[in-house]
Amino acid sequence: DSGVTQTPKHLITATGQRVTLRCSPRSGDLSVYWYQQSLDQGLQFLIQYYNGEERAKGNILERFSAQQFPDLHSELNLSSLELGDSALYFCASSVETGPGNTIYFGEGSWLTVV
Amino acid sequence: DAKTTQPTSMDCAEGRAANLPCNHSTISGNEYVYWYRQIHSQGPQYIIHGLKNNETNEMASLIITEDRKSSTLILPHATLRDTAVYYCIVRVGNNDMRFGAGTRLTVKP
Repeated sequence: DSGVTQTPKHLITATGQRVTLRCSPRSGDLSVYWYQQSLDQGLQFLIQYYNGEERAKGNILERFSAQQFPDLHSELNLSSLELGDSALYFCASSVETGPGNTIYFGEGSWLTVV
Repeated sequence: DAKTTQPTSMDCAEGRAANLPCNHSTISGNEYVYWYRQIHSQGPQYIIHGLKNNETNEMASLIITEDRKSSTLILPHATLRDTAVYYCIVRVGNNDMRFGAGTRLTVKP
């Protein structure tokens, strides 16, 4: 158990809908990261937050957005969902953002768009 | 970030040491080498990381060459539960962790 908690574990929704994935980082961790893993793309970095502020952006679509709240939990919002958005979404956290700070991953949220 | 090159797949006999190589010939002086693994569709699991020196923890050992252009992850006594995809990642600055395709390690009885 990494200490990173993600909810829901599984989610099935229809195309065009909007969903919110939630992440609670490890206790004391200030930085949160979101990743997407689909069968044909591998693990793709989406976005990073540090202490409430966006720090880095990866291959995140404009239909997707995220935020980190004052209590440090984070939410990833996915809207106008398409079949291709079906994937595993991982949240990860680290204490700080320096390269020597290990990133720990949650168990992921399975999203199926039908 | 420096790119890494790993073999696509490897086999290892149960109980033997698994040695997973990684090439990172363009690594810079302040870049760390990290190893993660992913079992089925579980979340990536941190294994070990290092900058210049060799490192060992309860899971594995990391051997980094003197010129830092390559490294080897060693699982001293592989078990069937070590079957997974192993990722070697070079990380710099405040960046996130960028994953490549990794090495699919299969431990066989």
